[in-house]
Amino acid sequence: SQTIHQWPATLVQPVGSPLSLECTVEGTSNPNLYWYRQAAGRGLQLLFYSVGIGQISSEVPQNLSASRPQDRQFILSSKKLLLSDSGFYLCAWRAGTGWTEAFFGQGTRLTVV
Amino acid sequence: DQQVKQNSPSLSVQEGRISILNCDYTNSMFDYFLWYKKYPAEGPTFLISISSIKDKNEDGRFTVFLNKSAKHLSLHIVPSQPGDSAVYFCAAIGSGYALNFGKGTSLLVTP
Repeated sequence: SQTIHQWPATLVQPVGSPLSLECTVEGTSNPNLYWYRQAAGRGLQLLFYSVGIGQISSEVPQNLSASRPQDRQFILSSKKLLLSDSGFYLCAWRAGTGWTEAFFGQGTRLTVV
Repeated sequence: DQQVKQNSPSLSVQEGRISILNCDYTNSMFDYFLWYKKYPAEGPTFLISISSIKDKNEDGRFTVFLNKSAKHLSLHIVPSQPGDSAVYFCAAIGSGYALNFGKGTSLLVTP
């Protein structure tokens, strides 16, 4: 069966510090991978998605970047965090083709102080 | 620009009654629609989906209806239970790979 791992679960970082959130998927190959953010009281905002190694599509220009160094690994990064980067970050995967649902990780609560 | 809209931020329903959650979309290229349930500090969990070739899909207490001409879908929960209290998200995907979500509707089922 397929599983998705996302870590850390919670993170408190000072303004201006770097960020690296990692997401890995097991039990499938060539998944579509997604990063979402849920700010306080808001919906799920799509940040990045990837359909293959090294292929990243950015939905919202901002202080974040994403990379996919391996087929089942998706990394969200920032060189210098802003207060506005605080939120609940979610990674998801979806089978590459067809009408299929996405499966989410448990999320990372990031607080920038 | 929000392509998937859930215009009701919250909904309160009595236990045993029907809950109806609504969703509108603007992109006519969307052809697959999904509903997710989310608790605080957890990832969303998939509930039910519908493709554009159907107008209804049923799974137990959950039924999703799709009206393509109106670009509208709805999720019906019958009967509603207190454990159904959560935030419900509507999502849509089209010819691309971006999975777009609405802002969610918070459902409260009262005993």
